[in-house]
Amino acid sequence: NAGVTQTPKFQVLKTGQSMTLQCAQDMNHNSMYWYRQDPGMGLRLIYYSASEGTTDKGEVPNGYNVSRLNKREFSLRLESAAPSQTSVYFCASSEQPGLAKNIQYFGAGTRLSVL
Amino acid sequence: QKEVEQNSGPLSVPEGAIASLNCTYSDRGSQSFFWYRQYSGKSPELIMFIYSNGDKEDGRFTAQLNKASQYVSLLIRDSQPSDSATYLCAVIPIQGAQKLVFGQGTRLTINP
Repeated sequence: NAGVTQTPKFQVLKTGQSMTLQCAQDMNHNSMYWYRQDPGMGLRLIYYSASEGTTDKGEVPNGYNVSRLNKREFSLRLESAAPSQTSVYFCASSEQPGLAKNIQYFGAGTRLSVL
Repeated sequence: QKEVEQNSGPLSVPEGAIASLNCTYSDRGSQSFFWYRQYSGKSPELIMFIYSNGDKEDGRFTAQLNKASQYVSLLIRDSQPSDSATYLCAVIPIQGAQKLVFGQGTRLTINP
């Protein structure tokens, strides 16, 4: 099992360019999440999908859109990249939301630089 | 006040000693608490989770939860250089049970 797979691993963009970060999980999990991590800031939730067909905003959704393509895949799109979006992006999945089964498993991350 | 707070460190501990990491949370109704370890340049990995007041032990790791005082701690016994990492505390707040809220992490260094 690969677990949670993110592509690409690294990306450099120019201001104003767009791109989509891909995430796929093979654990048959219902819930998927996108986080960004900046130095000294911990992990901040961008968007999440509690189940297939639903998406909700997290703490820092501005400048991002998401698509839950199917149960396995959850993509994050930057429509017009800004230098403030330079960060490390992590995708995670969990069996389901809720108290006992929200153990989240993380992908390897995408390191994004916006110039 | 942040929902989940940790001392960002760095925390330096000699090899073989006990490392103690602390986390406080603001939502008194929080139910579930998680400790993740993150090596430099890597993704977070779960070490332990705890739901009930008291201690939970797993090998060299012990999680302690005190809901009355709203803190959760992680003790690492017989610290090894391989324990050097950033430790992230995460909480499921009762009002947002669909998501985790993370602290900013504590950077731990074990000195040989």
